[in-house]
Amino acid sequence: RKEVEQDPGPFNVPEGATVAFNCTYSNSASQSFFWYRQDCRKEPKLLMSVYSSGNEDGRFTAQLNRASQYISLLIRDSKLSDSATYLCVVDRSGNTPLVFGKGTRLSVIA
Amino acid sequence: GAVVSQHPSWVICKSGTSVKIECRSLDFQATTMFWYRQFPKQSLMLMATSNEGSKATYEQGVEKDKFLINHASLTLSTLTVTSAHPEDSSFYICSARDSRVGYTFGSGTRLTVV
Repeated sequence: RKEVEQDPGPFNVPEGATVAFNCTYSNSASQSFFWYRQDCRKEPKLLMSVYSSGNEDGRFTAQLNRASQYISLLIRDSKLSDSATYLCVVDRSGNTPLVFGKGTRLSVIA
Repeated sequence: GAVVSQHPSWVICKSGTSVKIECRSLDFQATTMFWYRQFPKQSLMLMATSNEGSKATYEQGVEKDKFLINHASLTLSTLTVTSAHPEDSSFYICSARDSRVGYTFGSGTRLTVV
């Protein structure tokens, strides 16, 4: 089993749609959780951190369920510019490398 | 703040030659850098952890003699792909952790071996 598993993509949605991505992680000792966005042939960029209390940043809402080891990302009112690959990322602890999920490709269509 | 500069951005080389990729932390000291590789439609896979002043730690399945890592200073880590072959063609990217802002990534190097 991979340490971080994500929904298989791709997701093709119309502008204005709401789309949800799911992710599970296997290492219960993981401490920090993130969603990154990666555009084609570019480096990943931090979209948002994920907290148990849930957090929202504009049209983006992230949620963490430690008991289920489950992370989610909700995008409301999708824009064309949201088209990218979304990576679920886990930080075990301290100065250890981030562990990346395979990513879910989102295409927002006009 | 917390910028990692990586170059070259892309490189095309002939099979059998070696390619060096550099990552510099511009405004912080990176005692540890992480090197990842990403094949098309795949996740970023950790290759090795580079430690300043000591040997790198390689992930299982990564040949240390083929992917030479040098981290001679607190701001520079290099990855050299020796005797490159077409199957080494990939997107290579480095990352470091800054205490102020967390993890930051270089802009990546797209290597094509012909």
